[in-house]
Amino acid sequence: AQSVTQLDSHVSVSEGTPVLLRCNYSSSYSPSLFWYVQHPNKGLQLLLKYTSAATLVKGINGFEAEFKKSETSFHLTKPSAHMSDAAEYFCVVSDQSSASKIIFGSGTRLSIRP
Amino acid sequence: GAVVSQHPSWVICKSGTSVKIECRSLDFQATTMFWYRQFPKQSLMLMATSNEGSKATYEQGVEKDKFLINHASLTLSTLTVTSAHPEDSSFYICSARVPGLAGTGELFFGEGSRLTVL
Repeated sequence: AQSVTQLDSHVSVSEGTPVLLRCNYSSSYSPSLFWYVQHPNKGLQLLLKYTSAATLVKGINGFEAEFKKSETSFHLTKPSAHMSDAAEYFCVVSDQSSASKIIFGSGTRLSIRP
Repeated sequence: GAVVSQHPSWVICKSGTSVKIECRSLDFQATTMFWYRQFPKQSLMLMATSNEGSKATYEQGVEKDKFLINHASLTLSTLTVTSAHPEDSSFYICSARVPGLAGTGELFFGEGSRLTVL
């Protein structure tokens, strides 16, 4: 069985400081892991994905995530937050052996303080 | 990347009327599309899986007769909210898989449709 846990429902950082959004997962098989961003009243946009290649994944807008199997984590980071990063972020896991099952995390709202 | 277009973005209707939301894959053919409902400040809830040329697969607790899904072509799936009531007001989002990327589980999302039932 698969599951995904986003450890923080809300994260607030100052502009220019690092961002860390935490995600832990469980999966019986080799997982694919994704981070999506959602701005208000918009659909979801893919930030980055891990599909069993390099464990450090670089995405758009300066975001990165590292797949750590030993810790079952896929935390999202960015060195320096920008005001435009304020949005809802979803960690998503799917089972590569059966990609029909896709599990969404509960979401983390990122606020940026001027 | 692949583009999924959803229409309308916003719709307001009277209670008792039906509303149709369209989801189109613009530059690829999608044999499978997914419909989600999102309540304020919550994650996406999968409502149903839309399969081209066959009946949709609904998640437990989702009323088939209330939320009619039709996937008549490889680029279009529609969700019709029948006899809408205020409790059906929500944000509805569709997504699709790109053939060739289906094994990874990556999804491409529409922009969402905000339904308000008066």
